[in-house]
Amino acid sequence: QVQLVQSGAEVKKPGASVKVSCKASGYTFTSYGLSWVRQAPGQGLEWMGWVSAYNGNTNFAQNLQGRITMTTDTSTSTAYMELRSLRSDDTAVYYCARGHGGTRFDYWGQGTLVTVSS
Amino acid sequence: EIVLTQSPGTLSLSPGERATLSCRASQSVSSSYLAWYGQKPGQAPRLLIYGASSRATGIPDRFSGSGSGTDFTLTISRLEPEDFAVYYCQQYGSSRGYTFGQGTKLEIK
Repeated sequence: QVQLVQSGAEVKKPGASVKVSCKASGYTFTSYGLSWVRQAPGQGLEWMGWVSAYNGNTNFAQNLQGRITMTTDTSTSTAYMELRSLRSDDTAVYYCARGHGGTRFDYWGQGTLVTVSS
Repeated sequence: EIVLTQSPGTLSLSPGERATLSCRASQSVSSSYLAWYGQKPGQAPRLLIYGASSRATGIPDRFSGSGSGTDFTLTISRLEPEDFAVYYCQQYGSSRGYTFGQGTKLEIK
């Protein structure tokens, strides 16, 4: 069965960086892209960007360009999202999600809480 | 960027009733690129409907989607206790990526 298992919660200070991992299993990793979606406390869903597990191509939300990196390691079927220059409004649960047909997200990780606080 | 506006913000209904949730786009969206998700507290979102009207794997047939152009609807024909959650619509905008609506909270009356 398809599973996406994310790394654990993080607490960071403003200005620091965070790197969240998403380990995939149950399918051919390189056949699907992965998106990252975040959700601030009590708020809705915000798409952050997408990475191709096949060739590493990326596409980021405009408001995060310059602060975000997404990579994959095909040897371990793991995707990574790094966000730099963290601010308090980056406090959120971060999800990885498998893209199906490029149009929808059919499997999601369990989420990783990132708290940015001084 | 296409903006998705969901209504109502909160919908209060009783089990057994019919729920109708709306998602309106600021410009026309291909039906192939419109999806719906449900999210319960403390859980990740779950794909319900894709291509505007196709049910995802394992989704009961009381869930249905319809619409085209700028107006889309998620209908739950007879509410079960486990259906009370927050629902989001989502569209794919090619190189511009994806956007979500702000959500509709379906609560027990």
